[in-house]
Amino acid sequence: AQSVTQLDSQVPVFEEAPVELRCNYSSSVSVYLFWYVQYPNQGLQLLLKYLSGSTLVKGINGFEAEFNKSQTSFHLRKPSVHISDTAEYFCAVSGGGSYIPTFGRGTSLIVHP
Amino acid sequence: GAGVSQSPSNKVTEKGKDVELRCDPISGHTALYWYRQSLGQGLEFLIYFQGNSAPDKSGLPSDRFSAERTGGSVSTLTIQRTQQEDSAVYLCASSSDRDIPEKAFFGQGTRLTVV
Repeated sequence: AQSVTQLDSQVPVFEEAPVELRCNYSSSVSVYLFWYVQYPNQGLQLLLKYLSGSTLVKGINGFEAEFNKSQTSFHLRKPSVHISDTAEYFCAVSGGGSYIPTFGRGTSLIVHP
Repeated sequence: GAGVSQSPSNKVTEKGKDVELRCDPISGHTALYWYRQSLGQGLEFLIYFQGNSAPDKSGLPSDRFSAERTGGSVSTLTIQRTQQEDSAVYLCASSSDRDIPEKAFFGQGTRLTVV
């Protein structure tokens, strides 16, 4: 069975500050890892993904995430956030024969001017 | 169509009534997922269709929930005898490749409110 833990339900940050959204997963097999973003009143969009290879993956809008197998983490980072980054961010895991992504509870990123 | 389309976008229903939620996936996508998004609960998997295979219903919370997918395209999620705890946003996603969920595209959801 797979599970995803997003440790922070809400992360407030000032504009142009760096941010890290934490994600830990549990799985007994190799996994695919994803971050999705949901802007207000919009559907989910894929932000970035880790399938294999380089553990540092870059996504859209300047976001990046690092896969750390020993710590079973896939934290999302951005060096300088904008007001427009205010959204709900979901970490997800799939793999090991399961085609169904398992999502975390989400982290609300709130960027203040 | 250009994306996954869900209808209605909002639905208010009285407790005890039945509701039907519709999902039009991206044309040609063989995989279709339903998720439920409750406040503070993240996305809860409900059901998964892949081609002509039997659907994976392991996420349906009770026998009041059912879903079908006609002709491998449009899907309908039905909730019978709705309860207040059914209030949530119901999200549909479709994918062209069941092995790589990265290609799953989500609709904007149906917000269901049971009063």
